[in-house]
Amino acid sequence: QSVLTQPPSASGTPGQRVTISCSGSSSNIGSNIVTWYQQLPGTAPKLLIYGNNQRPSGVPDRFSGSKSGTSASLAISGLQSEDEADYFCAAWDDSLSGYGFGSGTKVTVL
Amino acid sequence: EVQLVESGGGLVQPGRSLRLSCTTSGFTFDDHAMHWVRQVPGRGLEWVSGINWNSGSIAYADSVKGRFTISRDNARSSLSLQMNSLRTEDTALYYCAKDKYGEFVVVTTIAHWGQGALVTVSS
Repeated sequence: QSVLTQPPSASGTPGQRVTISCSGSSSNIGSNIVTWYQQLPGTAPKLLIYGNNQRPSGVPDRFSGSKSGTSASLAISGLQSEDEADYFCAAWDDSLSGYGFGSGTKVTVL
Repeated sequence: EVQLVESGGGLVQPGRSLRLSCTTSGFTFDDHAMHWVRQVPGRGLEWVSGINWNSGSIAYADSVKGRFTISRDNARSSLSLQMNSLRTEDTALYYCAKDKYGEFVVVTTIAHWGQGALVTVSS
């Protein structure tokens, strides 16, 4: 039972824009920063977005993050085949005094 | 280049103990909080525990509280996870992870991950 809720899957054709939602509560997303991780098949996760909307160096600007209230979103514009991966949102939860991950969204490039 | 290498995984019976270690290089270890995160293959991520730069702040997931102990040795740039009273539901790939910051409470940002150590709890 994940602290944050994501759709299990999302898909698009190359070049399309895909958006992944992440729903939480006032004790996590509503009061703390959101981070997004990308996990390519068979590999360890990788930091994709931090501080709600900041990209680490090396992450293409096709990836963008936003937050509003108790929800957050990850957008992938100009979808590419190498974007096929699992995407996880995460945030500190004040009620749990712990770090919570979303359930994960599998992105498929059609 | 940041490197995080886990060791100590394996097959263990329920109720027994196991100790995971993580050796690190490529960054100033005592500038960063560290974490353990686990993942059942094919499933989601679960944060297990975090420790700040000087071991002054430690936190655990409810699922492991009282059974697991995280520790770090800044002189050796290493991180450990002592796992006691293991249960079948602890079976997972355990990742050693480096935070972007020295503190982690509220601002947790996992910037680098190891490749993981597989722990299998089974009789």
